[in-house]
Amino acid sequence: QQPVQSPQAVILREGEDAVINCSSSKALYSVHWYRQKHGEAPVFLMILLKGGEQKGHEKISASFNEKKQQSSLYLTASQLSYSGTYFCGLNAGNNRKLIWGLGTSLAVNP
Amino acid sequence: DVKVTQSSRYLVKRTGEKVFLECVQDMDHENMFWYRQDPGLGLRLIYFSYDVKMKEKGDIPEGYSVSREKKERFSLILESASTNQTSMYLCASSPGPMNTEAFFGQGTRLTVV
Repeated sequence: QQPVQSPQAVILREGEDAVINCSSSKALYSVHWYRQKHGEAPVFLMILLKGGEQKGHEKISASFNEKKQQSSLYLTASQLSYSGTYFCGLNAGNNRKLIWGLGTSLAVNP
Repeated sequence: DVKVTQSSRYLVKRTGEKVFLECVQDMDHENMFWYRQDPGLGLRLIYFSYDVKMKEKGDIPEGYSVSREKKERFSLILESASTNQTSMYLCASSPGPMNTEAFFGQGTRLTVV
């Protein structure tokens, strides 16, 4: 039931790209992405809704493949500030609560 | 800016004590959540509330209770703290209905000795 995130960890040099995947065994209604920097609270990145609508706040893109029950987060031209743990949260139609993945740790080095 | 404020950043309690963790949000959000976060286990939902006096169990409610007497405040109660409840506790709020951005508090690092 818990979504599977991959990879578990990734190390990048500044300017490199990364893709983080989130897969579910259940049909999805929406996918939520958050980033948590060390010692800080998780911060919202993006929501992807069934039907293709996206709501986001940053210059980070994502896709949502409803048939495959999978979402991917694309981090391009990474910056040092992208470092942190990325979590996906899935809404399988049950309304108000999300089911969270275990997170992907991303480190961007100079 | 939306603010979710947790009453303590760090807390040390003794086994068997009754512990109250308080969370206040200032944006009139319907939904409030309590999570615990442990290394390698991600975010696990303890309880959530979608209205005053309304609550629903999350994935790990055992050993916890909650109270929401006012819309802006959501309290997590450890009736009798145990060492396995040592963890980081995160409160979050979001406007209803679902598929809206959630705002998290800074977290309370609770140590039970």
